[in-house]
Amino acid sequence: ILNVEQSPQSLHVQEGDSTNFTCSFPSSNFYALHWYRWETAKSPEALFVMTLNGDEKKKGRISATLNTKEGYSYLYIKGSQPEDSATYLCAFRRLGGATNKLIFGTGTLLAVQP
Amino acid sequence: NAGVTQTPKFQVLKTGQSMTLQCAQDMNHEYMSWYRQDPGMGLRLIHYSVGAGITDQGEVPNGYNVSRSTTEDFPLRLLSAAPSQTSVYFCASSYSGYQTAEKLFFGSGTQLSVL
Repeated sequence: ILNVEQSPQSLHVQEGDSTNFTCSFPSSNFYALHWYRWETAKSPEALFVMTLNGDEKKKGRISATLNTKEGYSYLYIKGSQPEDSATYLCAFRRLGGATNKLIFGTGTLLAVQP
Repeated sequence: NAGVTQTPKFQVLKTGQSMTLQCAQDMNHEYMSWYRQDPGMGLRLIHYSVGAGITDQGEVPNGYNVSRSTTEDFPLRLLSAAPSQTSVYFCASSYSGYQTAEKLFFGSGTQLSVL
């Protein structure tokens, strides 16, 4: 059984704070790491798909880094805004699997207070 | 562009009833999948398909059937509903399932309660 762990489970910050959370995954047989943003009452939406050790991706105020050798990825949000409030999911895909099967973590719930 | 469309949004069943959750996508995606979301757990894969006529089991397939007769549609059938199947169900698709790092596109979810 592959474990994907996310920390912290939840986070409450003030508007303007910068924040980051962690996704840990098996360091062997790595293929890809996904980040999704999931707002309440909506569907998860993809933020990033990362495949190479050392990858850094950026989308506006949100960025992510990847370390496949040690099995972790960080998601950073700079200057959090209330509209950033959501659950952030990461998902791991193993090398050798024939299909796009993803193992999801339980997510980090971010609440940004104005 | 509709994307991934799931119906119904809500459903209440009695134990032992059967039903089909519908999923359709209009993006010509080869890969389609069904996940369930339960409190305190990550999204768990039920079944998936890499193309018309090809389906396979995910992590938690028991009690569910799928078929893929067309590229667009991937229905999920509950054969005899049980309270343990109370969950939120998501359909998700990607362009290709094979050896690519494609992001998933999710439907809006179906909240199912089995009494």
